[in-house]
Amino acid sequence: AQTVTQSQPEMSVQEAETVTLSCTYDTSESNYYLFWYKQPPSRQMILVIRQEAYKQQNATENRFSVNFQKAAKSFSLKISDSQLGDTAMYFCAFSPRTYKYIFGTGTRLKVLA
Amino acid sequence: SAVISQKPSRDICQRGTSLTIQCQVDSQVTMMFWYRQQPGQSLTLIATANQGSEATYESGFVIDKFPISRPNLTFSTLTVSNMSPEDSSIYLCSVEVGQGELFFGEGSRLTVL
Repeated sequence: AQTVTQSQPEMSVQEAETVTLSCTYDTSESNYYLFWYKQPPSRQMILVIRQEAYKQQNATENRFSVNFQKAAKSFSLKISDSQLGDTAMYFCAFSPRTYKYIFGTGTRLKVLA
Repeated sequence: SAVISQKPSRDICQRGTSLTIQCQVDSQVTMMFWYRQQPGQSLTLIATANQGSEATYESGFVIDKFPISRPNLTFSTLTVSNMSPEDSSIYLCSVEVGQGELFFGEGSRLTVL
C-alpha cells in the first residue's frame, strides 16, 4: 500500500529561525510527484512546493525548500526565516499518477513571536 | 491555477437531515474531487466526480450517503444525507490543474447536533 507518514504532529519555531518538517512515504512506483500543502487557520489549502521524483535537484520556492531523498523515500520541508504567517497545518502528499493523491496526517506548525 | 468557491462555508444541522454543498470552479475541469477532513485529521477522498458519468466512490463511502452531481465542467454538488454527529467535518472540493497540482476550495465546515 502507498502511504505517507508525518511523524511530527506539532512543532514550534521562533520567528526568523529555521524549521524542518519530516515526511516519509512508501511506494513501488518509480515516477511520481511529492507535495507540501499548507492549511492556515482560515482553512483554505494551498500548495507550498512540488517535487517531481525523476528530478534530482531539490525544489525551492523562496523561503521554502525540500530535501528529497528518493532512495530513502524521504521528503522533508525546510522553512527558513520563519514568519508568523507560516503558522498553519502542513500536509505532505504523494501522487503516483493523475487524479491520485495520498495525504499524510499533517504537522501543526506554530511560529512564535 | 483555479479559483474554487464553496457554499456554504459552515452550517449547523440537526441529526437526520441532509445538506448539499456546492462547488463552483472558474474554469472547465475534467475531474472534481470531494474530500472529508475530520477534526484534527488528514484529508480522506470521498469520491471523484467526472462530468456526464456517475461519481467514483472510495472504499467506505457510498452513493446513498454522499450523492454527488456533476452537471457541467465547472460545477458539482455533494450531499451529506441522513446526517449524524459523526458526519461533523470539513468537506473540501478540489480540482487538479496541469501536471500534478490540486487546488482547493475554502471548505464547508459542517456541525451535526
